[in-house]
Amino acid sequence: DAKTTQPTSMDCAEGRAANLPCNHSTISGNEYVYWYRQIHSQGPQYIIHGLKNNETNEMASLIITEDRKSSTLILPHATLRDTAVYYCIVKIKAAGNKLTFGGGTRVLVKP
Amino acid sequence: EAGVAQSPRYKIIEKRQSVAFWCNPISGHATLYWYQQILGQGPKLLIQFQNNGVVDDSQLPKDRFSAERLKGVDSTLKIQPAKLEDSAVYLCASSFGQTNTEAFFGQGTRLTVV
Repeated sequence: DAKTTQPTSMDCAEGRAANLPCNHSTISGNEYVYWYRQIHSQGPQYIIHGLKNNETNEMASLIITEDRKSSTLILPHATLRDTAVYYCIVKIKAAGNKLTFGGGTRVLVKP
Repeated sequence: EAGVAQSPRYKIIEKRQSVAFWCNPISGHATLYWYQQILGQGPKLLIQFQNNGVVDDSQLPKDRFSAERLKGVDSTLKIQPAKLEDSAVYLCASSFGQTNTEAFFGQGTRLTVV
C-alpha cells in the first residue's frame, strides 16, 4: 500500500470548516483513499473513501486532486465532537479492511 | 444495530502472566480483525478471520499470541506469556465481507503489563 503523509496536528474553530490534507504521491491507479477517525478512548470510525472523483456524505467531503497525489478531507462545520485523530489510508479495494494506519492528524476543535 | 462488543475494557497483569480478550462482532459480519494499538501510534493489524478461518496472521507474534474464532462468530485473542511491550489497546473490528468498504471497530481492551 502507498504511504501517506499528514500533518501531526492542527486546530480549528468550532463552526468553521476543517480542511485536513493528505499527501500520497506514490499512489497506484487502483488504490483508493480512505479516511478514518479515532475519538479518544474509542475505536476508529470510517468516514469516507474515494478513487478519483470528489465524494460527499453526511459526515464529510473528500477532494482528490486530478493527479491523485494528494487529497483533502473537509469537515464542513466542525463541532467539539469532531476532536479526534484523523487517519488517511490508501489501499486497493481488494485488500478489504486490512488497514495500514500511519500516525494521523490530531485535530483539536476549539470553541 | 448493536456494535462490536469487547471485554474486558481494562486489564492489568504482571509480565509472564497470560491474558485473554473477547470480541463479539456485529451480527452477520463474516470478517473479523484484531488490531494492536500502542500508545501514540496508529492501530496495527494482527490477524484477520473470514468466518472461522484465518486469512492473514502474518503480523501475529505466534510465539506468544494466539487467536481463534471457533464457530465463526465470537473470537478470543490470547497472550501467553505477556511482555512489557505488549502494553497496548487491542481493538476488534468486523465487516460484512472481506472487500467491504467499512470496518466497524469496538472500543478496545486496554492492557497494561507491569
